[in-house]
Amino acid sequence: AAGVIQSPRHLIKEKRETATLKCYPIPRHDTVYWYQQGPGQDPQFLISFYEKMQSDKGSIPDRFSAQQFSDYHSELNMSSLELGDSALYFCASSASRDSQETQYFGPGTRLLVL
Amino acid sequence: KQEVTQIPAALSVPEGENLVLNCSFTDSAIYNLQWFRQDPGKGLTSLLLIQSSQREQTSGRLNASLDKSSGRSTLYIAASQPGDSATYLCAVQGGSEKLVFGKGTKLTVNP
Repeated sequence: AAGVIQSPRHLIKEKRETATLKCYPIPRHDTVYWYQQGPGQDPQFLISFYEKMQSDKGSIPDRFSAQQFSDYHSELNMSSLELGDSALYFCASSASRDSQETQYFGPGTRLLVL
Repeated sequence: KQEVTQIPAALSVPEGENLVLNCSFTDSAIYNLQWFRQDPGKGLTSLLLIQSSQREQTSGRLNASLDKSSGRSTLYIAASQPGDSATYLCAVQGGSEKLVFGKGTKLTVNP
């Protein structure tokens, strides 16, 4: 069965650089979520999209922005990177915003900021 | 603000043992609760989803229960195997769409 695809899987950047993470949800899933998991930490919700519109926002820094495109894939843009942005970034998708729907997680993008 | 706590933080058991992982949450107004498995440096695999109206869900050797009023859930793993070694995360979904995670229980099953 198709799963959530994230690219790249690994990314190394310098401080103050910009990074773009991509997420391709499971086919026919219209809702996408982004989470950040720091080293040894639990995942923290960043932002979500439903039908290409932002639907919920968590602890996402102003330096980050995201959007969902017409094909439902999503991109997380991160600017002025800081050392503390080093983390595993997960994308999840679900068939709808309905609470009965499971959120399926991708393998994550591991970002290292030097 | 919803807070999710998992006890114990780490657990080591011999192969074949039955075990219980615990999860508690502070705000009982939840829509659902999910249990995930995470292997080191890997993604999150959803194991079980329990709706707020449900008491338990079963999948193979896994059984998850939910007591919404007391803010507790347990994940029961029967006849544990070395392949079960991983970190198990509990997450709740409340009034918004986001999941709030616990810090996980790191399970080691020794052959």
